[in-house]
Amino acid sequence: GESVGLHLPTLSVQEGDNSIINCAYSNSASDYFIWYKQESGKGPQFIIDIRSNMDKRQGQRVTVLLNKTVKHLSLQIAATQPGDSAVYFCAENAVENQGGKLIFGQGTELSVKP
Amino acid sequence: DAGITQSPRYKITETGRQVTLMCHQTWSHSYMFWYRQDLGHGLRLIYYSAAADITDKGEVPDGYVVSRSKTENFPLTLESATRSQTSVYFCASSESLPWEQYFGPGTRLTVT
Repeated sequence: GESVGLHLPTLSVQEGDNSIINCAYSNSASDYFIWYKQESGKGPQFIIDIRSNMDKRQGQRVTVLLNKTVKHLSLQIAATQPGDSAVYFCAENAVENQGGKLIFGQGTELSVKP
Repeated sequence: DAGITQSPRYKITETGRQVTLMCHQTWSHSYMFWYRQDLGHGLRLIYYSAAADITDKGEVPDGYVVSRSKTENFPLTLESATRSQTSVYFCASSESLPWEQYFGPGTRLTVT
């Protein structure tokens, strides 16, 4: 029979605007978080990471915010460019429970309109 | 070339066939990983390896076999391929845990 595909959450922004991609994580014991960018047909590419003893970390045009109280992670991209169009994944690690392995979220598709 | 490579990039095989996907990294990273990526499931860990001759199961290991005789290589074998194993497979490596993992370009496998 015909299968119904699951659609990723999509965020559409205008070129030059700021983008905010959100991620809810599941394990309160997670102590390391990472964001990946995946372009069509390619493997995930590291963007930025943050440890649980931090609330905020900045990179080049990107900022990651961590709210441990509500188990929420966000990725902010400043001055979004067409080259930022991709699927963005957050991942968490809880050394205690997972032995150091990353658990990935479902991903959010970012579409940048020129 | 430096980095992490996978071969083949595309593979079509029949149900019941044995298939081996290759992964090679040039960084001498201790840790290597195999993931599968399916729509609606994101990236799921199949197996990982902490060093040569040390491997462990991930979230979805059934139907797969791995080996790691050398630090730089981490082949993944589907002993008897099934249609449910149609997916995109990614290999990754990491210098240590839980730090960032570097991903290969992926292998798109279709089982008919």
